[in-house]
Amino acid sequence: AQSVTQPDIHITVSEGASLELRCNYSYGATPYLFWYVQSPGQGLQLLLKYFSGDTLVQGIKGFEAEFKRSQSSFNLRKPSVHWSDAAEYFCAVYGNTPLVFGKGTRLSVIA
Amino acid sequence: DAMVIQNPRYQVTQFGKPVTLSCSQTLNHNVMYWYQQKSSQAPKLLFHYYDKDFNNEADTPDNFQSRRPNTSFCFLDIRSPGLGDAAMYLCATSRAPDTYTDTQYFGPGTRLTVL
Repeated sequence: AQSVTQPDIHITVSEGASLELRCNYSYGATPYLFWYVQSPGQGLQLLLKYFSGDTLVQGIKGFEAEFKRSQSSFNLRKPSVHWSDAAEYFCAVYGNTPLVFGKGTRLSVIA
Repeated sequence: DAMVIQNPRYQVTQFGKPVTLSCSQTLNHNVMYWYQQKSSQAPKLLFHYYDKDFNNEADTPDNFQSRRPNTSFCFLDIRSPGLGDAAMYLCATSRAPDTYTDTQYFGPGTRLTVL
């Protein structure tokens, strides 16, 4: 079965700084990868997803993610963080079982 | 404009007292999912309905049941809640169960407290 690891539990960045959230997956075949964001009191919202093709995926809210098969990674990036980006971010993978989520990374944004 | 609605947002119940959580959707999606998310943990799939077909995850306790009376509504019943069942319960929908092709849309969740 597939699994997902998000090594960083909590990250703090300054507003306007760049951001990279790490995600590593374990799956024998080509995975289907997702990033979701959960704002306080809200449900999960899909930011972007990777199925195949171009390994650099663009999503909503200015986020992008790059699939690197050699590193089993699907890191999420944003060039300039806004205060409204403060939230919990979940990486998820679909393989031969239903969607499996990582434990999440909480992003704090400071002025 | 809410697409996946969960009621109530906060639910308090007593140890062993049955509780029902509600989810409704305006997307007319075929699939409805229930996830359990404990504090600082990943959402964990409990079960899902594809139309009227119920699909239970192998490790979902028997204490958790679900009903889907029509396309729009799905209920999560916890027959005898224990302290370990305190969590956020997330409902999600998709057009089809193959999530690599279809996005799951999540509701805001119901936070369950067990006293």
